[in-house]
Amino acid sequence: QKEVEQNSGPLSVPEGAIASLNCTYSDRGSQSFFWYRQYSGKSPELIMSIYSNGDKEDGRFTAQLNKASQYVSLLIRDSQPSDSATYLCAASFGNEKLTFGTGTRLTIIP
Amino acid sequence: DGGITQSPKYLFRKEGQNVTLSCEQNLNHDAMYWYRQDPGQGLRLIYYSQIVNDFQKGDIAEGYSVSREKKESFPLTVTSAQKNPTAFYLCASSIGYRDTGELFFGEGSRLTVL
Repeated sequence: QKEVEQNSGPLSVPEGAIASLNCTYSDRGSQSFFWYRQYSGKSPELIMSIYSNGDKEDGRFTAQLNKASQYVSLLIRDSQPSDSATYLCAASFGNEKLTFGTGTRLTIIP
Repeated sequence: DGGITQSPKYLFRKEGQNVTLSCEQNLNHDAMYWYRQDPGQGLRLIYYSQIVNDFQKGDIAEGYSVSREKKESFPLTVTSAQKNPTAFYLCASSIGYRDTGELFFGEGSRLTVL
């Protein structure tokens, strides 16, 4: 059974600080990793994808992947109240279907 | 605007009734998916379709049925055999099945069984 684990939170971060969200996965063969943001009562939205070891930056978001340690993280710099949401980590192997984690609820405190 | 339209947004059902949730996309995507989300849970895959007239069971297909007669449409029927159908149902699509991680979601349908 392939698993993706996340701390459910809530994670509270002051406005302007860096929010760090972490995710571990069980399948060492997983190749592709994704972060989705889901506002309360809404559907998920893809914000980052990462396929190789290292960092990938997109605006205030940085995804980090370490395949040897089987973890992937998402950093949000200069956190804003609009970043308050649940963040879902997902992993896939080849063309296989995605496996989602249960999500981390992030609250940015003004 | 391109996107995925799900309807209805809210649905109430009595026990023993079948209901059908609609999902239509105008993104010209080949692959479509149905997920279920329960409070505090991740997304669980019900069914997926890579091409027209073909679909596969996901992790929790029991009590559900789908069809894919047109590229744009992938309706989900929640049958009376589904023992705990109250949930948030999400339809998604991807360009192709090789892009399985990059999903576009509809706004969801919230089903409540009375």
